[in-house]
Amino acid sequence: ETGVTQSPTHLIKTRGQQVTLRCSSQSGHNTVSWYQQALGQGPQFIFQYYREEENGRGNFPPRFSGLQFPNYSSELNVNALELDDSALYLCASSFGGRAGTDTQYFGPGTRLTVL
Amino acid sequence: AQTVTQSQPEMSVQEAETVTLSCTYDTSESNYYLFWYKQPPSRQMILVIRQEAYKQQNATENRFSVNFQKAAKSFSLKISDSQLGDTAMYFCAFTSVGGGATNKLIFGTGTLLAVQP
Repeated sequence: ETGVTQSPTHLIKTRGQQVTLRCSSQSGHNTVSWYQQALGQGPQFIFQYYREEENGRGNFPPRFSGLQFPNYSSELNVNALELDDSALYLCASSFGGRAGTDTQYFGPGTRLTVL
Repeated sequence: AQTVTQSQPEMSVQEAETVTLSCTYDTSESNYYLFWYKQPPSRQMILVIRQEAYKQQNATENRFSVNFQKAAKSFSLKISDSQLGDTAMYFCAFTSVGGGATNKLIFGTGTLLAVQP
């Protein structure tokens, strides 16, 4: 069974640029959730995708957007990067999506630094 | 809105001893799950243990067990026979279940546990 993978591992961007982060869900999972973890903080929910549709969103501006593909992999896109976007971005996959009861399993994360 | 509070930013324990990490939460929901996740310095978040709110019996996973007090909204993690590999940041997390809710995780701020040799 393949676990959750994320790419790239690290990324350095400058303010105003755009970035795309990628996540491959665990085999058998149809739901992907994205979290932002600032240094020294707990992860904050960005949004979730279930069967290619957004299934809930946290308190993040529209410049944070996402996609889920038919194979259930997912992308997180951030436009007009700001310094405060510097964080570890975590992807988690699970099965069941809407009101699902399955546990979320996390990938290793992408460390984004905005200069 | 649901909140999760971890009041111990850092803790230290000697190898082979027992340590308890505290977590309280606030919710008006009746059906929910609680989790403890571990994030070692390598940063991958790993599930430690899960508790369904409707179950009265406390969850256990080998050396890890919880003390779930639903009325008090308390969910502590006990680690027995601590090992050096238990050194990590531990996060308590909550998710609502059912009723069309997105099962997003709400995390506490974490407790950094150091196991000393």
